[in-house]
Amino acid sequence: SAVISQKPSRDICQRGTSLTIQCQVDSQVTMMFWYRQQPGQSLTLIATANQGSEATYESGFVIDKFPISRPNLTFSTLTVSNMSPEDSSIYLCSVDTTGALGDTQYFGPGTRLTVL
Amino acid sequence: AQTVTQSQPEMSVQEAETVTLSCTYDTSESDYYLFWYKQPPSRQMILVIRQEAYKQQNATENRFSVNFQKAAKSFSLKISDSQLGDAAMYFCAYRSAIAGNNRKLIWGLGTSLAVNP
Repeated sequence: SAVISQKPSRDICQRGTSLTIQCQVDSQVTMMFWYRQQPGQSLTLIATANQGSEATYESGFVIDKFPISRPNLTFSTLTVSNMSPEDSSIYLCSVDTTGALGDTQYFGPGTRLTVL
Repeated sequence: AQTVTQSQPEMSVQEAETVTLSCTYDTSESDYYLFWYKQPPSRQMILVIRQEAYKQQNATENRFSVNFQKAAKSFSLKISDSQLGDAAMYFCAYRSAIAGNNRKLIWGLGTSLAVNP
């Protein structure tokens, strides 16, 4: 399995500001994913980030609000822009694996965001 | 479209006892993967167990095992000898194995498991 780290682990932000979340993997991976988990809910996929191409966003999520970068095969960032209290959530990145456990996603520890 | 249903929002078990969490899914595909993930209060999403649909044998990982009934589209998780550290939210998830299909994870709503000492 991959070892995934996220920064920051938590943050409290003012409405109208932006926060960039970093996701670092200890091995090269093709596909990285960004999820949002609102309080008491399941996970919702925001977008899929492939290196060298534009991220693919799910319905209801737009690039202006959640710009994503994927500069190389071990790193990605998600920015939450012009934040409102409704953006208060846990944000998780995950990666696809290859090898014997291919098609399995492993997750980072998450970033808990509170917007005041 | 595929769906995943977890009908038990909350469950509890006594320490050292066995508990079974249920999951059903709906799909027209024949080749797919099923997963159970655990999310403790630390919020880290941890893979518990993985099942490939074409394999008849039920997956097992130490105290965790599944009862995979493909025809019934059922995928329950059994936790034996429950420990306090098993207390968490458990999510069932589906993923297509067919190249070219939408292969994102489809999630259930989760089951919150409490372990009583």
